[in-house]
Amino acid sequence: EDQVTQSPEALRLQEGESSSLNCSYTVSGLRGLFWYRQDPGKGPEFLFTLYSAGEEKEKERLKATLTKKESFLHITAPKPEDSATYLCAVRRSYNTDKLIFGTGTRLQVFP
Amino acid sequence: DAGVTQSPTHLIKTRGQQVTLRCSPKSGHDTVSWYQQALGQGPQFIFQYYEEEERQRGNFPDRFSGHQFPNYSSELNVNALLLGDSALYLCASSLWSNEQFFGPGTRLTVL
Repeated sequence: EDQVTQSPEALRLQEGESSSLNCSYTVSGLRGLFWYRQDPGKGPEFLFTLYSAGEEKEKERLKATLTKKESFLHITAPKPEDSATYLCAVRRSYNTDKLIFGTGTRLQVFP
Repeated sequence: DAGVTQSPTHLIKTRGQQVTLRCSPKSGHDTVSWYQQALGQGPQFIFQYYEEEERQRGNFPDRFSGHQFPNYSSELNVNALLLGDSALYLCASSLWSNEQFFGPGTRLTVL
């Protein structure tokens, strides 16, 4: 069965303290791994799509990487405005656009 | 360029009632997907519409139905509401099978 597991569930960082969020997945024929950021009470905001092992994408203080079993979202020198829940989702092979989400990592960055 | 819009923002209903939620996709997008997000969970796929037809469906009962109009906007209908239907309902739009962009969501509370 397709499954996405994110860890840790919650993470508290001091401003400037770099760290990584993990997304491990089990899916038949990965056709994209997606990272979203979600602020409380709002819809997820698209960050990255990764398609194949070894691929990396960067945006400001965020960098996403992908292996055959997991993805990491690295946060370098975070700021308080990076506080949010980060969601990981996968899409299976052809004939479906359904995204399967993990439960997210709730990140809090303190000044 | 307007992103995905949803209405209403909040809704309170009682058990047994029916509700209709609305979504306008991002300009240039032709596909609309609906997700249900319970508190503290990741979004769960309900169904997807393309060319005015339901293209794929998740594990939701027939009480959940939808529609897509010629202008690509969409509605989600839920009949015979249950307390467990209380959640944030998210609409996501995409161009065919590309990245999905989410709206702000409709918070439904069933009393």
